[in-house]
Amino acid sequence: KNEVEQSPQNLTAQEGEFITINCSYSVGISALHWLQQHPGGGIVSLFMLSSGKKKHGRLIATINIQEKHSSLHITASHPRDSAVYICAVRRGYGGSQGNLIFGKGTKLSVKP
Amino acid sequence: NAGVTQTPKFRILKIGQSMTLQCTQDMNHNYMYWYRQDPGMGLKLIYYSVGAGITDKGEVPNGYNVSRSTTEDFPLRLELAAPSQTSVYFCASSLDTYSNQPQHFGDGTRLSIL
Repeated sequence: KNEVEQSPQNLTAQEGEFITINCSYSVGISALHWLQQHPGGGIVSLFMLSSGKKKHGRLIATINIQEKHSSLHITASHPRDSAVYICAVRRGYGGSQGNLIFGKGTKLSVKP
Repeated sequence: NAGVTQTPKFRILKIGQSMTLQCTQDMNHNYMYWYRQDPGMGLKLIYYSVGAGITDKGEVPNGYNVSRSTTEDFPLRLELAAPSQTSVYFCASSLDTYSNQPQHFGDGTRLSIL
């Protein structure tokens, strides 16, 4: 079993819909990242969370440490949100514990 | 700010050839990483470095070598290319691994071994 599981693997939405992508993990963590991989391949960091909730524009990320679960929400989705969204966890601090473990990603396609 | 720069963007190699993937960052980050991304799989860590002169193996190091002679540069060397090394390679850097600083990624190198 992978240490980081994302669902769904693929998601198609209509423009304007509210979108939720889920991430569950099986290890203790010090932080969780959400990243976006554009169709051209580039990867950018969206959020880094260790507790609670963060919001940036139409993106909201939440984490429940007790349930080992995080969600990424996109409000008022737009075709430019089409990308692969990747969840990654950091187990600890420093050395190999500070390295990230990645989920397989969720491919989002938003239709106009 | 250039951030993390990888070269080349694309490369085709024959089995048994060698090559070096270049990575440089201008953010004065201590930590640098090499990942590979295979279709349908999550990013896998090949090697990482915590500073100049210090490198360590990640999850999938076999067939690769790295060096870190300066803070800025972290090249990845393939000595005897094999078809299993066909992948997209990403270099990344971060200031540290204990704060809320994210990793910054290069644009990737798409490598095919034929």
